[in-house]
Amino acid sequence: DTGVSQNPRHKITKRGQNVTFRCDPISEHNRLYWYRQTLGQGPEFLTYFQNEAQLEKSRLLSDRFSAERPKGSFSTLEIQRTEQGDSAMYLCASSLEVRTEAFFGQGTRLTVV
Amino acid sequence: GIQVEQSPPDLILQEGANSTLRCNFSDSVNNLQWFHQNPWGQLINLFYIPSGTKQNGRLSATTVATERYSLLYISSSQTTDSGVYFCAVEGGGSNYKLTFGKGTLLTVNP
Repeated sequence: DTGVSQNPRHKITKRGQNVTFRCDPISEHNRLYWYRQTLGQGPEFLTYFQNEAQLEKSRLLSDRFSAERPKGSFSTLEIQRTEQGDSAMYLCASSLEVRTEAFFGQGTRLTVV
Repeated sequence: GIQVEQSPPDLILQEGANSTLRCNFSDSVNNLQWFHQNPWGQLINLFYIPSGTKQNGRLSATTVATERYSLLYISSSQTTDSGVYFCAVEGGGSNYKLTFGKGTLLTVNP
């Protein structure tokens, strides 16, 4: 068990470019979550998956954001036409099932210049 | 949605001191976790404690679900305890996501 893995760890991009982040959950964990954290705040929920099904999306997830979890394994989070306000830490978490302990990855820090 | 309030927002201690961090939540919960965020941003699991009391070394936690609060105790603090401590709760019903408080920034001075 290597824990939740996220790549890349850091990403600097120019405004207007598209970026994609990857999350590999703990094996056998059915639930996968994406959160966003800005400076001085706690993480805020973006979306979550039960296996390959995306079950809930936050209003924070604008049309420029899309997440997938093909085959219920790894997940990707894509941001199109990035804006400076998208600069944040993007955190991925997984849990075995509902109502069980969630574990977080190291996060991807995005800077939009 | 469920509200989570943590106090104090900031705490400065001398090495060796004890401290208590508090987490209040506005509704019944099915899950409560305490995390320590390290300087690189990773959330480290401290406790999964929807109710009751748990201890792990110098750290212990108590959740009184009926009164909607949880406490994290740090004894004999060390400089490595510095960082942000977050409480996160998963509400009842079909609310399957964690809602975080704003955290407590702990600074332990040598």
